Amino acid sequence: DTAVSQTPKYLVTQMGNDKSIKCEQNLGHDTMYWYKQDSKKFLKIMFSYNNKELIINETVPNRFSPKSPDKAHLNLHINSLELGDSAVYFCASSQSLGGGEKLFFGSGTQLSVL
Amino acid sequence: EDKVVQSPLSLVVHEGDTVTLNCSYEVTNFRSLLWYKQEKKAPTFLFMLTSSGIEKKSGRLSSILDKKELSSILNITATQTGDSAIYLCAVAASGTYKYIFGTGTRLKVLA
Repeated sequence: DTAVSQTPKYLVTQMGNDKSIKCEQNLGHDTMYWYKQDSKKFLKIMFSYNNKELIINETVPNRFSPKSPDKAHLNLHINSLELGDSAVYFCASSQSLGGGEKLFFGSGTQLSVL
Repeated sequence: EDKVVQSPLSLVVHEGDTVTLNCSYEVTNFRSLLWYKQEKKAPTFLFMLTSSGIEKKSGRLSSILDKKELSSILNITATQTGDSAIYLCAVAASGTYKYIFGTGTRLKVLA
């Protein structure tokens, strides 16, 4: 069983469209994250949730809206997609907040905006 | 602002060589430092170092945390082509609830 799973793996879309990425973890973790990895492989935190509550919103444009229906799921909806949104988006989870736990990553969603 | 810097940015070696990758950080209230290996897709966990666990080893890989110098090294001995990957360092600070990643070191091991 995959611990952290994301769908879709690939997303190709036109500028201006709206798209969603889904993430689920079956590890029983309390905390989930969205990271964006650019073409230079730099991983930057976007959001973190703990028990469905938003903890970090790292100056991400408000076109990006995360939603956590329960602590096992964290989805990312993106409105009015722009060329600069092209990147790989990783979902991750950890047992709890606080920085003393390891992160488990999903396999990523490669988003290409044309 | 919290910062994590890795060096070198990239490295090409031959099989059998030993490599040392560096990670330095500036964070307030350091909690832990993590090393990850990223091949095609998801980063996979290698080590976590904290104040109570400053040295870790697994097979040919080992890592040390130097809290005085605010840095860590990742050593790989007798490198193999399968070690070719991007190695990522991340640091977590207490109370900030996030892991800050460095830019990574891209390692290529030639046969």
